[in-house]
Amino acid sequence: SQQGEEDPQALSIQEGENATMNCSYKTSINNLQWYRQNSGRGLVHLILIRSNEREKHSGRLRVTLDTSKKSSSLLITASRAADTASYFCATGQAGTALIFGKGTTLSVSS
Amino acid sequence: NAGVMQNPRHLVRRRGQEARLRCSPMKGHSHVYWYRQLPEEGLKFMVYLQKENIIDESGMPKERFSAEFPKEGPSILRIQQVVRGDSAAYFCASSIYNAGQNSYEQYFGPGTRLTVT
Repeated sequence: SQQGEEDPQALSIQEGENATMNCSYKTSINNLQWYRQNSGRGLVHLILIRSNEREKHSGRLRVTLDTSKKSSSLLITASRAADTASYFCATGQAGTALIFGKGTTLSVSS
Repeated sequence: NAGVMQNPRHLVRRRGQEARLRCSPMKGHSHVYWYRQLPEEGLKFMVYLQKENIIDESGMPKERFSAEFPKEGPSILRIQQVVRGDSAAYFCASSIYNAGQNSYEQYFGPGTRLTVT
């Protein structure tokens, strides 16, 4: 069964706008990770947030985690056409397999 | 430091043939995971291996699929007597413990796209 569920399934924005994607999960976690996948390519690790962290930044990325609501959000600020990709959240315990959601497909048009 | 390598990148097999997918983890990584991705879907875990050991194969179909990670050489995912439903992208990831994060970060290969005709 799916652990992480991303919302929305698809998002279309203009360059320069911010993009926000949400992820909900079901069971307790050790950490939550966000990945990007360009069409037909492998996954690129974006950011990891531990269960005892509430917010983390990396460049134009901002991730929040609310363990009480079992949810996380990924914010991409000042989006670019190159950000067009699918974004997945994944959860897991230390040393175990990751459980992925179905992803949010982001389209950024110039 | 080369990333996770997978080969072949594309593989076409007729129904009933065998498919062998190879994965070389990042240098120093001793944990390997295999995932399958169907079109328009997220990745689904199949099997987790350490050198010469299968740690968790709960996501792998009971029949026709097998995986190994020998002491020397790449990890192999083997699919016998392939059927059209096996057509998918198969991704391998390797990991190492990150003490600073107290976590295992997984690094993914580019995937093997299997097409069964």
